[in-house]
Amino acid sequence: AQSVTQPDIHITVSEGASLELRCNYSYGATPYLFWYVQSPGQGLQLLLKYFSGDTLVQGIKGFEAEFKRSQSSFNLRKPSVHWSDAAEYFCAACTTSGTYKYIFGTGTRLKVLA
Amino acid sequence: DTAVSQTPKYLVTQMGNDKSIKCEQNLGHDTMYWYKQDSKKFLKIMFSYNNKELIINETVPNRFSPKSPDKAHLNLHINSLELGDSAVYFCASSQVFRGGYEQYFGPGTRLTVT
Repeated sequence: AQSVTQPDIHITVSEGASLELRCNYSYGATPYLFWYVQSPGQGLQLLLKYFSGDTLVQGIKGFEAEFKRSQSSFNLRKPSVHWSDAAEYFCAACTTSGTYKYIFGTGTRLKVLA
Repeated sequence: DTAVSQTPKYLVTQMGNDKSIKCEQNLGHDTMYWYKQDSKKFLKIMFSYNNKELIINETVPNRFSPKSPDKAHLNLHINSLELGDSAVYFCASSQVFRGGYEQYFGPGTRLTVT
């Protein structure tokens, strides 16, 4: 069955430190991949997406993600975290044909220490 | 300009009641979705409509009935509400069939059933 896994439920980093959030997917063929952020009480906002091509993608708010086919991973990174980055982060994948149904990971809650 | 809007933002009601949540998108997208986010932040797709036609219908109790009067609107009607229906419901839209696979989310409707 298709799935998206985010192994870390919670991550705590200090402001200014680097960040990496992990995401692994299990699909028959490489899906389209996304990272979304959800601030408390808000909807989800797209950070970045990967369809094909360059495996390092840049997104908004200084985030980037790297697609690694051999590891079925799409990890999100940021070189220097700001306190305002504290939020819930979701990795998602969708099939590249048919209904383009999304499957979301279970989310990683990021806490930033001042 | 709000891209995807939902009303109401909060909905508190008693078991057994019938309620509706409305969603509108002004992005000109062809596909709209309803998601349920439970208390553990897990996001699961419920329905998807493309140009007013149902294309995804997950295993959802038939007390939930989506209606799409036109491609800019997707409403969710829930009959005989149960305690387990308490959650945050998100509407989203995308332009799937022109290669825009990223989804844009509304702010959510927090439904509390007492």
